[in-house]
Amino acid sequence: AQSVSQHNHHVILSEAASLELGCNYSYGGTVNLFWYVQYPGQHLQLLLKYFSGDPLVKGIKGFEAEFIKSKFSFNLRKPSVQWSDTAEYFCAVNGGYNKLIFGAGTRLAVHP
Amino acid sequence: DGGITQSPKYLFRKEGQNVTLSCEQNLNHDAMYWYRQDPGQGLRLIYYSQIVNDFQKGDIAEGYSVSREKKESFPLTVTSAQKNPTAFYLCASNGGSGYNEQFFGPGTRLTVL
Repeated sequence: AQSVSQHNHHVILSEAASLELGCNYSYGGTVNLFWYVQYPGQHLQLLLKYFSGDPLVKGIKGFEAEFIKSKFSFNLRKPSVQWSDTAEYFCAVNGGYNKLIFGAGTRLAVHP
Repeated sequence: DGGITQSPKYLFRKEGQNVTLSCEQNLNHDAMYWYRQDPGQGLRLIYYSQIVNDFQKGDIAEGYSVSREKKESFPLTVTSAQKNPTAFYLCASNGGSGYNEQFFGPGTRLTVL
């Protein structure tokens, strides 16, 4: 069955620390991969996406993610986090018929 | 502005009552989706519709119903058969480009008392 696994449910960092959030997926077809972010009180919004080509994808606000096909992974990274990055982050993979399958989410808290 | 609107933002209902959540989009998207978000469980698909007058069950459709009479609108009814209806409900749409990117509304938080 198709699934997405996010290993870290809660992450706490200090400002300027580096961030890496893990995401592994299970899907047998051609993958489209996404990271969405939900800031407190705001809409769920797209952070970045991978469809094909360069496996290193750059998104908004200095985030990037690397697609490693052999590891079925799509980890999210940011070299230096800010307090404003406090949010919940969701990894998702296409599930066929324009559906998305989401991971359980990772809550990131960044302390000044 | 183009986007997805959901109303109301907060909704309270007594146990045993049906309640309908509104979702409207002006993005001219064919596909629309309803998700339920619970802490620690991510987003789970309730129903989706690829086109007007057609919809399919998602992973957790029991206790819910939908209709898609207009392209712009995809209301969700939470029925009394839903055993644990208190949750945050998100509506989304997709332009059908083949890349599956979805756009989300602000959500409705339903509390059943």
